[in-house]
Amino acid sequence: SAVISQKPSRDICQRGTSLTIQCQVDSQVTMMFWYRQQPGQSLTLIATANQGSEATYESGFVIDKFPISRPNLTFSTLTVSNMSPEDSSIYLCSVLGGSWANEKLFFGSGTQLSVL
Amino acid sequence: GIQVEQSPPDLILQEGANSTLRCNFSDSVNNLQWFHQNPWGQLINLFYIPSGTKQNGRLSATTVATERYSLLYISSSQTTDSGVYFCAVAVWGSGNTPLVFGKGTRLSVIA
Repeated sequence: SAVISQKPSRDICQRGTSLTIQCQVDSQVTMMFWYRQQPGQSLTLIATANQGSEATYESGFVIDKFPISRPNLTFSTLTVSNMSPEDSSIYLCSVLGGSWANEKLFFGSGTQLSVL
Repeated sequence: GIQVEQSPPDLILQEGANSTLRCNFSDSVNNLQWFHQNPWGQLINLFYIPSGTKQNGRLSATTVATERYSLLYISSSQTTDSGVYFCAVAVWGSGNTPLVFGKGTRLSVIA
């Protein structure tokens, strides 16, 4: 399985500011996925980040609010822009891996964001 | 899109008891995974099981794809099994769709 390092692990931010979350993988991967988990809720996919192309955003998420970079096959960043208290969530980076067909999804340890 | 329903939403067990968690999904899938989120938020992939049965220690899972459900069995539960168990499904291949997560089953194992 892939080893995924995510930072920061947690942060407390002021309304109106932005936070960039970093995700580093120990092997080259084609796709990286960013999820949001609101308090007490399930996981919702924000976007899929492919190296060399623009990220693909899910319904309800836009690039201006959640810009993503994917400069190489082992690294990605997610920025949460112009934050409001509603953005308080856990943000998770994930990649596909597995024994033969890269069929399993593995997650980083997450970034717990609180917006005041 | 695909709907995923998990039951029960909450479960409290005495240490040593067995349990069965269920995941129903609304459409054909070729990817189904079970995850455990521990109380510190870390998500661990337990099983990739689009069909059939797998076992890993005290945990086992069965997916009956034709009837659109999957079951996760936990035997001889331990306090470290506490957390939230998520089922996630997708159709991967041509026209990939993202994994859709259920709302989870929150398990509390008490000593």
